[in-house]
Amino acid sequence: DVVLTQTPPTLSATIGQSVSISCRSSQSLLDSDGDTYLNWLLQRPGQSPQLLIYSVSNLESGVPNRFSGSGSETDFTLKISGVEAEDLGVYYCMQATHAPLTFGSGTKLEIK
Amino acid sequence: QIQLVQSGPELKKPGESVKISCKASGYTFTDYAMHWVKQAPGKGLKWMGWINTYTGKPTYADDFKGRFVFSLEASASTANLQISNLKNEDTATYFCARGNWFAYWGQGTLVTVSS
Repeated sequence: DVVLTQTPPTLSATIGQSVSISCRSSQSLLDSDGDTYLNWLLQRPGQSPQLLIYSVSNLESGVPNRFSGSGSETDFTLKISGVEAEDLGVYYCMQATHAPLTFGSGTKLEIK
Repeated sequence: QIQLVQSGPELKKPGESVKISCKASGYTFTDYAMHWVKQAPGKGLKWMGWINTYTGKPTYADDFKGRFVFSLEASASTANLQISNLKNEDTATYFCARGNWFAYWGQGTLVTVSS
């Protein structure tokens, strides 16, 4: 199975600070169809996960553009440019290139 | 608007069975796969598998073969997850999520297994 390693496990940020979360894959996530199926999700406390970014860098509709994704093959990054209070929660990367689908272990973002 | 509405929380004893439903609305049910994801208390997300909503064919992740069954009531735009012979470690919140991008999730169903 593909292992997704997220760092850091926890992150503490002030409002307005920019932060990055890393997701490293044990295998290349480049699919034979040319796409890379790496998504980023946010799970706010007590809520269902919410899709933020799909296929590495595509912003889901309705998601603020302070969120951005980058990377390729095995190294991926989620950046939040100017954290807001509503951004607190646990961020997960997930891959859908290889079966079984797998999730990273999560990065908890706390607001100082 | 697109919604996935799951059935309510369940309290079960070990050895019993439970069936969770996920009713979809706002789109053509058979156009998208439905995935199931488990989240144990305080833990991360684990993919259980998916069901092809057009053909009804389920695919299970290895850890979810045997006691877990995905099914459909396509006429009601509903996907179901049944777990038999419940164990304490099945205590979790179970989510349905629409393929392809997991852009839509149900609100989750908490299943508590306790004697």
